[in-house]
Amino acid sequence: DTGVSQDPRHKITKRGQNVTFRCDPISEHNRLYWYRQTLGQGPEFLTYFQNEAQLEKSRLLSDRFSAERPKGSFSTLEIQRTEQGDSAMYLCASSLGVTGSGSEAFFGQGTRLTVV
Amino acid sequence: AQKITQTQPGMFVQEKEAVTLDCTYDTSDPSYGLFWYKQPSSGEMIFLIYQGSYDQQNATEGRYSLNFQKARKSANLVISASQLGDSAMYFCAMRVIQGAQKLVFGQGTRLTINP
Repeated sequence: DTGVSQDPRHKITKRGQNVTFRCDPISEHNRLYWYRQTLGQGPEFLTYFQNEAQLEKSRLLSDRFSAERPKGSFSTLEIQRTEQGDSAMYLCASSLGVTGSGSEAFFGQGTRLTVV
Repeated sequence: AQKITQTQPGMFVQEKEAVTLDCTYDTSDPSYGLFWYKQPSSGEMIFLIYQGSYDQQNATEGRYSLNFQKARKSANLVISASQLGDSAMYFCAMRVIQGAQKLVFGQGTRLTINP
């Protein structure tokens, strides 16, 4: 396993359309995170899965956003009725879930969404 | 709530010089971890170094070291002998060792290494 994989790398969509992103974490990692990064800012936490259970969601995650992680493997993030403010880099990260230096989060290369 | 502050939007350094990137943090939790990530133009966040709140010694990883001053709530990254490939965005992040263990990031510092 070479790391966290995200697909697509880039997505351009028209306002009002739905989009779905996929994240494949490192295979043995039980924790999976979604972050959003806008231009010039650091990543902001969106949501967190431990195995298949979605345990925490940020207030940034409006009703138009939904995330799933069926069977505790890959995860999808869907945005319905996209708005121009949704334009950002969406980053996925996974970790082993044990605290300490060995459990740093490994990030994918992100999906850059542009809403026109 | 946790907060990370990086006060240097940009830094310019000559190749082979050492550089210090500043990071201060705020939390009321006694147990936390501090991270530095590098983000090149490709977008991927690359883990550099970690410091636990109870670690007695400053963390080091190759050319990277973390100057951890707990009383001052600072966790500066020191890069020794900078290289052209070090040019990137650098983010300081904190993780509370509870619950989701999500990372809270600062706004980043853009480091440019000049030849």
